Amino acid sequence: DTAVSQTPKYLVTQMGNDKSIKCEQNLGHDTMYWYKQDSKKFLKIMFSYNNKELIINETVPNRFSPKSPDKAHLNLHINSLELGDSAVYFCASSQGGMAGGDNEQFFGPGTRLTVL
Amino acid sequence: DQQVKQNSPSLSVQEGRISILNCDYTNSMFDYFLWYKKYPAEGPTFLISISSIKDKNEDGRFTVFLNKSAKHLSLHIVPSQPGDSAVYFCAASGYFGGSQGNLIFGKGTKLSVKP
Repeated sequence: DTAVSQTPKYLVTQMGNDKSIKCEQNLGHDTMYWYKQDSKKFLKIMFSYNNKELIINETVPNRFSPKSPDKAHLNLHINSLELGDSAVYFCASSQGGMAGGDNEQFFGPGTRLTVL
Repeated sequence: DQQVKQNSPSLSVQEGRISILNCDYTNSMFDYFLWYKKYPAEGPTFLISISSIKDKNEDGRFTVFLNKSAKHLSLHIVPSQPGDSAVYFCAASGYFGGSQGNLIFGKGTKLSVKP
């Protein structure tokens, strides 16, 4: 059983398109996150949702919009894709509401987005 | 502005020997440090952590040492095994402005353990 799953695993698309990445966790966790790992390999948090409410929104373009239909799902929608959006996007979840501390996060396998 | 730095992008070690992965940080407000391990095509998985009130935490073959005065932590793996070959991320978080902040990750160190 996959704890945190993401679809699709790979996504290749043209500039200007709109795309979505889906994330689901079956761990019963309250908090879900989206991270971006860019070409320089830095893993940076983008968003965090706790019980379907946004609690962290780092400085990302408003072309990125997370949507949480329920606490087991956090989808990432990206409008008007740009070349610089090419990266690996990881979804994660944790039991507690804090992003850091001893609140262990469980990561999905990642979605490699390539914008041509 | 890298608050968490892993200055060695890669490390190669012989099986059975010790692997030492290093991490430096700049923000003295960090109070919790974690190591995550990542295999190719998988997400990072939690390995071990340490609170800033401690200087050592051990879990089986893995030990994390924290030197707060030097703002430095290290992960020791003894003995190293080929299955330990992966990318290791150091991460830190702190209590800022009344709430626990995000995890800040380093760039990772790729460990290769040769049989």
